[in-house]
Amino acid sequence: DAGVIQSPRHEVTEMGQEVTLRCKPISGHDYLFWYRQTMMRGLELLIYFNNNVPIDDSGMPEDRFSAKMPNASFSTLKIQPSEPRDSAVYFCASSPTQSVGTGELFFGEGSRLTVL
Amino acid sequence: GQSLEQPSEVTAVEGAIVQINCTYQTSGFYGLSWYQQHDGGAPTFLSYNALDGLEETGRFSSFLSRSDSYGYLLLQELQMKDSASYFCAVRDRGGGADGLTFGKGTHLIIQP
Repeated sequence: DAGVIQSPRHEVTEMGQEVTLRCKPISGHDYLFWYRQTMMRGLELLIYFNNNVPIDDSGMPEDRFSAKMPNASFSTLKIQPSEPRDSAVYFCASSPTQSVGTGELFFGEGSRLTVL
Repeated sequence: GQSLEQPSEVTAVEGAIVQINCTYQTSGFYGLSWYQQHDGGAPTFLSYNALDGLEETGRFSSFLSRSDSYGYLLLQELQMKDSASYFCAVRDRGGGADGLTFGKGTHLIIQP
C-alpha cells in the first residue's frame, strides 16, 4: 500500500515568494496532520483535519500560513509570503480514528523547504 | 502548556541495552507514544502507553508511570541500524486531543 505522499520533496525559494506544499494521505485515513521540524523547535503541530474539516489550527505560526483540505485525498499547506525563518522540513501525517486514539500517526517523507 | 524533557544524546555499544527517559507536563493526559526517526527520514511509530506499566514489542519496550509523569523506551540487543533519533510524544487535551506534542528527541549513537 502507498504511504503518505508529499510533494515537492525539496523546495528552494526566495524570500517573499509563495510556497505550496502538497499531501496525499493514506486512503481511508480520516485524520490529516501538518507538522514542521527544525533543529531549534523540534516537531511542531501546525494544524490538523478530521474528515476534511480543520479541527485545531492553533499551531499555525501566523497569517502567512494557510492550509486546506478540499477532499479526503488531498491537502495543501501554503506560505505567502515566505521568509527565511520558515526554512524547515514540513511533514504531513495521516491516521485512521482508531490509530489516533493509540497515538499512532503515519508520516510522509517530508518536504524540505529552504527560503533564501 | 505542555512540555516534554528527554536527553539530547545517548551513546551505547552494539549488543547492549539502552534506556531513553522522558518526563512530561501536560493537562488532560491520555497517553505517551514513542517514534523513531533516521537522518533524513520520516518519524515512524514504535509504541504507545496509556496505562501504567511495561509494553514489550520485540527488542523494544516502553514504560509509563502516570503518577510520576514519566516514561522510558528500552532498546535491547542494540544493532547499528538502531542509530537514530527517538522522540516521546504526548496525546493530551492541549494537542486538541487528537494531535501529538513531541519532545525535542534523543539522538542515539551506537558504537561497535
